Amino acid sequence: AQSVAQPEDQVNVAEGNPLTVKCTYSVSGNPYLFWYVQYPNRGLQFLLKYITGDNLVKGSYGFEAEFNKSQTSFHLKKPSALVSDSALYFCAVRDVGDNFNKFYFGSGTKLNVKP
Amino acid sequence: DGGITQSPKYLFRKEGQNVTLSCEQNLNHDAMYWYRQDPGQGLRLIYYSQIVNDFQKGDIAEGYSVSREKKESFPLTVTSAQKNPTAFYLCASTVNSPGFAFFGQGTRLTVV
Repeated sequence: AQSVAQPEDQVNVAEGNPLTVKCTYSVSGNPYLFWYVQYPNRGLQFLLKYITGDNLVKGSYGFEAEFNKSQTSFHLKKPSALVSDSALYFCAVRDVGDNFNKFYFGSGTKLNVKP
Repeated sequence: DGGITQSPKYLFRKEGQNVTLSCEQNLNHDAMYWYRQDPGQGLRLIYYSQIVNDFQKGDIAEGYSVSREKKESFPLTVTSAQKNPTAFYLCASTVNSPGFAFFGQGTRLTVV
């Protein structure tokens, strides 16, 4: 079965500093990878995806992610963090084959950006 | 505007009662999902449907039921058999191609 892991429950960063939220995956076949953000009491908002092509994917709100096949990672990054980036972030992978419409989510990483 | 609408936003239920959460999408998406989220935890899949009149159990289907009579609607019933129903429930949908899942704004269910 496909799976994703987010090894950090929480990431703390100062405003203006670069941030990284880590994600590793385990899939059979080519991965379809996603990042979402969730603010309190809200649904998940899509940030970016990797389907194929360039390993560096750019998304919403200045976020980007780097797909690394050899390390099976898809870390989320931003060059300069904002206090408003503080939220819960989820990495996800979409299954392949007969279960193509099934998504697997990581456990989430809480990002705290301090002024 | 296209999107997913979950209603109500907040729901209170007495123990022993069944309650139905609504999820409607006008995105013409094929697949729809229900997830449960508990405080400080990730998403757990309850049920999903890839096509009208068909659905599959997820990881925590016990105590829940769904129907998919129309493409745009995927209601979730939380039955009295669900022992700990207090949680945040999220509905999502997607197309049958390698795209992302689109989420509703959630329903917070509290058992009183």
